Amino acid sequence: QSALTQPASVSGSPGQSITISCTGTSSDVGGYYYVSWYQQHPGKAPRLMIYDVTNRPSGVSNRFSGSKSGNTASLTISGLQAEDEADYYCSSYTSSSTVVFGGGTKLTVL
Amino acid sequence: QLQLQESGPGLVKPSETLSLTCTVSGGSISSSSGYYWGWIRQPPGKGLEWIGSIYYSGSTYYNPSLKSRVTISVDTSKNQLSLKLTSETAADTAVYYCARQGYSIGSWYYWGQGTLVTVSS
Repeated sequence: QSALTQPASVSGSPGQSITISCTGTSSDVGGYYYVSWYQQHPGKAPRLMIYDVTNRPSGVSNRFSGSKSGNTASLTISGLQAEDEADYYCSSYTSSSTVVFGGGTKLTVL
Repeated sequence: QLQLQESGPGLVKPSETLSLTCTVSGGSISSSSGYYWGWIRQPPGKGLEWIGSIYYSGSTYYNPSLKSRVTISVDTSKNQLSLKLTSETAADTAVYYCARQGYSIGSWYYWGQGTLVTVSS
C-alpha cells in the first residue's frame, strides 16, 4: 500500500490559519470516513486530533477542524499558536482492512 | 485512564527476531470489546508506519509490506499485547509504539511512550 500524500512542510504566522492536505485514493481516503489526524511534538508519541474526518476527541481545541472532498482530506488549524508547531500525520482505513499513514507535514509557526 | 508501556530489547542483531511487549494498565484488554489494538513504528527522522492490528476477537490485520514477517498477539492473562518481527534488517530500526483505538477504526487514541529498537551487529 502506498503512503498518503502530504506536503512536506507548511508555515504560518501566529493568529493565521493553515490547511494541510492528505491525498489518497478511492480505496482509502475517498472510500471511507475513517480519516484521522495526529499531532506529534519532537520526542513524543503522536496525539489524536481528528477522527472520522471531522470529529475532535475530548480536550482537543476547536481551532482544529477536518474535512474531506473526494480523495483528499484536509486539516485546518485556525488562530495559529506557537504550541501548534509540530509534525502532523493523516491516516486512513483502507479497502484491504489495513491502515495507511501519510508521510507527515512539518508545521512551522513563524 | 488507560496506559500502555512498551518493553523489549533496545538492540537486535540482523537476521534475528524482534520481540516487543506492550503492558496495559488502567483497564483490561479482555474487556476492550469492539476495539483494535495495534503496533506502529517510526524510523529515526521519518514518518509513521502502521505495522498491524489485532481486534478484540483475535482477528489480525498486517501491513502487506511486513505481513510475511510479523505476528501480533494478545495475552489476556497478563494484559499484554505482543509483536514479533522476524528477519530483522537495519531498515527495521525505529521507535515502536503500541496503541489502542479510541473512537473508530484507525483512530489511535491511546499510545505508549514508544521504545527505540536498533538493528545492528
